Amino acid sequence: SLELTQPPSVSVSPGQTATISCSGERLGTKYVCWFQQKAGQSPFLLIYQDKERPSGIPERFSGSNSGNTATLTISGTQAMDEADYFCQAWDGSVVFGGGTKLTVL
Amino acid sequence: QVTLNESGPVLVKPTETLTLTCTVSGFSLSDTRMGVSWIRQSPGKAPEWLANIFSNDEKAYNTSLRTRLTISRDASKSQVVLTMTTMDPVDTATYYCVRIQVMILDFYMDVWGKGTPVTVSS
Repeated sequence: SLELTQPPSVSVSPGQTATISCSGERLGTKYVCWFQQKAGQSPFLLIYQDKERPSGIPERFSGSNSGNTATLTISGTQAMDEADYFCQAWDGSVVFGGGTKLTVL
Repeated sequence: QVTLNESGPVLVKPTETLTLTCTVSGFSLSDTRMGVSWIRQSPGKAPEWLANIFSNDEKAYNTSLRTRLTISRDASKSQVVLTMTTMDPVDTATYYCVRIQVMILDFYMDVWGKGTPVTVSS
């Protein structure tokens, strides 16, 4: 069954670009979603179908997916972006990555 | 405005059956473009998918929990119900109800409820 692997933590300085990876076998052949979860809150959809942003999501959030790796890129990272980020795909079952804690230093 | 509200017991005893209800508003459970998912999350852990249900009553379950789960819907009440049997302390988690958007070759989960915490303890 599909397993999704994310780095446990990523650090970035304000204004810089953060990249969060999500790896899985032949992940590029599946659609990937990305969720943001701030402390004490429910997860929130940022990206669906690899690179599509729901209405209201800032353009600084972007996604890509190719080969075995999907990537969430946050350009011009802000302090408010500090959160946990989860990737998710469907492979007959809904699968989530282990999550990445983004710290904005 | 789309909302999903989970309700159910905060505390259940080991071996008991958990019944959770999700009441939705802002969309119809009869809409062929929509479905509902149940997902849980233990503190400090990643979300874990439990089950999906769609407007045609098609259902899907986490294979490792399949024998313990039942999902059903009542479109007239705008409710989706999840039951989980033989509860164990490892099932302690926050349980979320999530809307599914159905696409031609895919679906994605776009709106999450606030979640309901469930503790399993004697």
